[in-house]
Amino acid sequence: VQLVESGGGLTQPGGSLRLSCAASGFSVSANYMTWVRQAPGKGPEWVAVLYSGGSIYYTDSVKGRFTISRDNSKNTLYLQMNRLRAEDTAIYYCARTDSSGFFDVWGQGTPVTVSS
Amino acid sequence: DIQMTQSPSTLSASVGDRVTITCRASQGINNWLAWYQQKPGKAPKLLIYKTSSLQSGVPSRFSGSGSGTEFTLTISSLQPDDFATYYCQQYDIYPYIFGQGTELDIK
Repeated sequence: VQLVESGGGLTQPGGSLRLSCAASGFSVSANYMTWVRQAPGKGPEWVAVLYSGGSIYYTDSVKGRFTISRDNSKNTLYLQMNRLRAEDTAIYYCARTDSSGFFDVWGQGTPVTVSS
Repeated sequence: DIQMTQSPSTLSASVGDRVTITCRASQGINNWLAWYQQKPGKAPKLLIYKTSSLQSGVPSRFSGSGSGTEFTLTISSLQPDDFATYYCQQYDIYPYIFGQGTELDIK
């Protein structure tokens, strides 16, 4: 059971990035999947969740800018991030999520830096 | 949003000590509380869920308790591998919120 994120990098304010999270050993489509981010020196912050049934929830600060999705054929979770701001700078983790809400499997994270 | 407040923010202890970390929620969370351990440069690791359920593979020296708005993580006898930062997380209501962390270091 493993999650591997990719797609992070440096972008300017207002830019876009798409993060990927490739799963192995379990099915992304059969599980709740979450993106969690952690700004430098801060605690983790819940960003978005995609239920196995397709329901989606976002934290307020990313609504309208970020989109969580999955590709079942690739067993991969995505986070499309548009109109990025400096405060979006963080390490972004994907996590398999128990249906009750805790995170039992985490990826290694991918860093996102938003700076001019 | 529910606020989660951990105490202390830092804790110095020695190998073999018994330590307790407290997490307080700004409202009741129906015991939907998890604890994670994080080491520098690594992802958080689940230790405890539903207040007191030990995640598979986690040593039994870790335990969780509490109810209502006050919860604790206890490490019965600190081992060298336990020096890390610990976070609580409520998963009762969105947005799920983590505490600010407790850094456990060697005295």
